[in-house]
Amino acid sequence: QVQLQESGPGLVKPSQTVSLSCTVSGGSINSGNYYWTWIRQPAGKGLEWIGRISASGSTNYNFSLTSRVTISLDASKNQFSLTLSSVTAADTAVYYCARGYGHFDYWGQGTLVTVSS
Amino acid sequence: EVVLTQSPATLSLSPGERATLSCRASQSISSYLVWYQQKPGQAPRLLINDASNRATGIPARFSGSGSGTDFTLTISTLEPEDFALYYCQQRSDWPPTFGGGTKVEIK
Repeated sequence: QVQLQESGPGLVKPSQTVSLSCTVSGGSINSGNYYWTWIRQPAGKGLEWIGRISASGSTNYNFSLTSRVTISLDASKNQFSLTLSSVTAADTAVYYCARGYGHFDYWGQGTLVTVSS
Repeated sequence: EVVLTQSPATLSLSPGERATLSCRASQSISSYLVWYQQKPGQAPRLLINDASNRATGIPARFSGSGSGTDFTLTISTLEPEDFALYYCQQRSDWPPTFGGGTKVEIK
């Protein structure tokens, strides 16, 4: 059974950079044709797809965030990561990692990132 | 990007009743429509892929239909655990986008 678990700082100051990690268990992150995805959800609002990375390291980002987002993969740790720069209050959300290219079958529990001074 | 509009925003029903949720796309997305269920404090759970294919372990009371721009998620007989938020998502066009959600609440 594949499981995903996000980790991150929780609180970030405006204009700073936040880095989140997603640890995958129950399977190798670089096996098969899987993609690994980040999705976020502001409190009380809907879901926004952030970007994805393939097992081989190919990335795609939402054009609304592409200038501030980097997704990377560390196969040695079976992890993939999200870096979001120049954060503002609008980036406050629960961040989920998930498996999938077009649809998402396994999700982490989510980690809350609050942007506040 | 493709905009998905879900209706109604809230559906108030009793256990045992039938729930019909709608998702309309701003342009044709063929059958590339996905449904998720989300409960408070939990991650979304994949229910239906490609408009009508139930995901592994999803009960048969959940069914999806539609193609093009109009899609429906039907819960044939509501169980207590089905009261939740439901999202549709399209995977036809980049980037993947989600609808605003329909809350199914106990009447």
